[in-house]
Amino acid sequence: QVQLEESGGGVVQPGRSLRLSCAASGFTFSNYAMHWVRQAPGKGLEWVAVTWCDGNNKYYADSVKGRFTISRDNSKNTLYLQMNSLRAEDTALYYCAKDGYSCGPHWYSDLWGRGTLVTVSS
Amino acid sequence: QSALTQPASVSGSPGQSITISCTGTNSDVGGYNYVSWYQQHPGKVPKLMIFDVSNRPSGVSNRFSGSKSGNTASLTISGLQAEDEADYYCSSFIFSSTPAIFGGGTKVTVL
Repeated sequence: QVQLEESGGGVVQPGRSLRLSCAASGFTFSNYAMHWVRQAPGKGLEWVAVTWCDGNNKYYADSVKGRFTISRDNSKNTLYLQMNSLRAEDTALYYCAKDGYSCGPHWYSDLWGRGTLVTVSS
Repeated sequence: QSALTQPASVSGSPGQSITISCTGTNSDVGGYNYVSWYQQHPGKVPKLMIFDVSNRPSGVSNRFSGSKSGNTASLTISGLQAEDEADYYCSSFIFSSTPAIFGGGTKVTVL
């Protein structure tokens, strides 16, 4: 069945690193751009990053630029988010989401995972 | 850049129609047809309701419709039902260093 499953979240101290993974199944992963979107507890959605289907183009929110890196392994149908220099304000539920269009994003997501919770706290 | 502007809350009685606005600038909503809308029930995953301003994914009720005028996009829910009570978020491409942006969200209450 068509689904995304995130993993890798947890509690981490400020300044430390964490890598999130998102396993895709049920569709041709290598044909679609992929996004990370986060939601702080009780707050709204915040777009984080996108990668083109081939991983050659990547864009980030200003709030994470220089600290987070999005990547993908199309041979493993897996999307990643490497998060470095974590801050308290990065605490959120992190969703991976499939772009609804094609290799280059059309800036909407038609499939979302259930999310993985990242808590940055000392 | 700031989030797209949505009303914090909108309410209506069953059977009525309501409209949620999403106001941006000519660098986002007004400049591109990459506006989408998501429904999120408490504790649940966001669900795509509208993409490219006015297109409805298969499986989404035709009671949901989207439109745009200038820098403001709108989501209209007609024949309001109890199950429509949820948070709704708009999103748009933005010509900026951060290329995508969400609205702050609107809580829809069915009276």
